[in-house]
Amino acid sequence: DQQVKQNSPSLSVQEGRISILNCDYTNSMFDYFLWYKKYPAEGPTFLISISSIKDKNEDGRFTVFLNKSAKHLSLHIVPSQPGDSAVYFCAANPLPRSDKVIFGPGTSLSVIP
Amino acid sequence: NAGVTQTPKFRILKIGQSMTLQCTQDMNHNYMYWYRQDPGMGLKLIYYSVGAGITDKGEVPNGYNVSRSTTEDFPLRLELAAPSQTSVYFCASSYSLQGQPQHFGDGTRLSIL
Repeated sequence: DQQVKQNSPSLSVQEGRISILNCDYTNSMFDYFLWYKKYPAEGPTFLISISSIKDKNEDGRFTVFLNKSAKHLSLHIVPSQPGDSAVYFCAANPLPRSDKVIFGPGTSLSVIP
Repeated sequence: NAGVTQTPKFRILKIGQSMTLQCTQDMNHNYMYWYRQDPGMGLKLIYYSVGAGITDKGEVPNGYNVSRSTTEDFPLRLELAAPSQTSVYFCASSYSLQGQPQHFGDGTRLSIL
């Protein structure tokens, strides 16, 4: 039973346009959400996070939106660059101060020059 | 600044063989984790540790063992390798405060034949 879902396995976007990566979750007790980016043959690297008490967090070209009522979050990348081509994982802390993080299956983003 | 270092990067094992995947971090993080990633899937937690001498099971611990004798090192042991353990293994570490991101190594690609 997937508690964190990323229903789009892949996404292609033109350079300069907006990339929107989506994530849905089932557990209303999730307290913190994180996005990780992964290049081939490398480990995931942290990108941006958001607390459940917020609905938006922004860091440069990256913005994460959280809709708690819909149990949905999204990562916006504006403008998209070819170097953004990677797999993006959505992850969630299931409880406050939990030591465990639950990862979604990932979405592969291709930014076309 | 090495961060999290995993060795080896690649390994092929025969069914029934044993091996240890090494992981070391130089960030003085108390929390360390082992994940496996199967194709098209998210990262699944195998074992984790909240400090030297303390380990606990994650989501998929069967067939694995860990130890944590120092803050820096968190080896993962496969005792009787099975084809189902063919995967990419990632080690990570964090301060483990709520919402704190994990720092990942570059992974070990393991094939059991």
